[in-house]
Amino acid sequence: DAKTTQPPSMDCAEGRAANLPCNHSTISGNEYVYWYRQIHSQGPQYIIHGLKNNETNEMASLIITEDRKSSTLILPHATLRDTAVYYCIVTETSGSRLTFGEGTQLTVNP
Amino acid sequence: DAGVIQSPRHEVTEMGQEVTLRCKPISGHDYLFWYRQTMMRGLELLIYFNNNVPIDDSGMPEDRFSAKMPNASFSTLKIQPSEPRDSAVYFCASSFTGPVDTQYFGPGTRLTVL
Repeated sequence: DAKTTQPPSMDCAEGRAANLPCNHSTISGNEYVYWYRQIHSQGPQYIIHGLKNNETNEMASLIITEDRKSSTLILPHATLRDTAVYYCIVTETSGSRLTFGEGTQLTVNP
Repeated sequence: DAGVIQSPRHEVTEMGQEVTLRCKPISGHDYLFWYRQTMMRGLELLIYFNNNVPIDDSGMPEDRFSAKMPNASFSTLKIQPSEPRDSAVYFCASSFTGPVDTQYFGPGTRLTVL
């Protein structure tokens, strides 16, 4: 699986958009970009995934650059409950193992 | 759906004792994963099963660890004998093979070995 690089921490004001970057310059053509988050003391939670097109669901939007070497997870209106560690993972689908890095600790401030 | 169920939620034991962690995956899911999370090593995959068959156990730290999946609705992770360095949060996750392969995690078991 391709390696990912994320900033260790970020802050965001409540109600503002949170933009979390991820670099994955060695991504291969059949690898997807997945985002999970882990709220303190809970199990990781799936957020969104994509291959090359931008994706949006009820939780977030995923913007993938045209060369697929980086992506950005966008939480459009961050709330205090979005404070968590966010993991960007690159992997193939169909039961592939997830390799969690250190992720980005997002702190949403009131 | 109740989601992935793990038991116990907390376990405190003494070094040398046997520990058994349990997991019930989401009904219909054909993959089951066991992860361990520590401050030092982060979240790491220990083993995963497909249709009750172990596929990759390369993450199992040593022979003291063993995992079984006797049927599609139950899996165990056993540590015998336990050591203080096994103290961690152990997560179970399950997924369904398909175009979207999302893993659903349980709440975890916090293990403390004294």
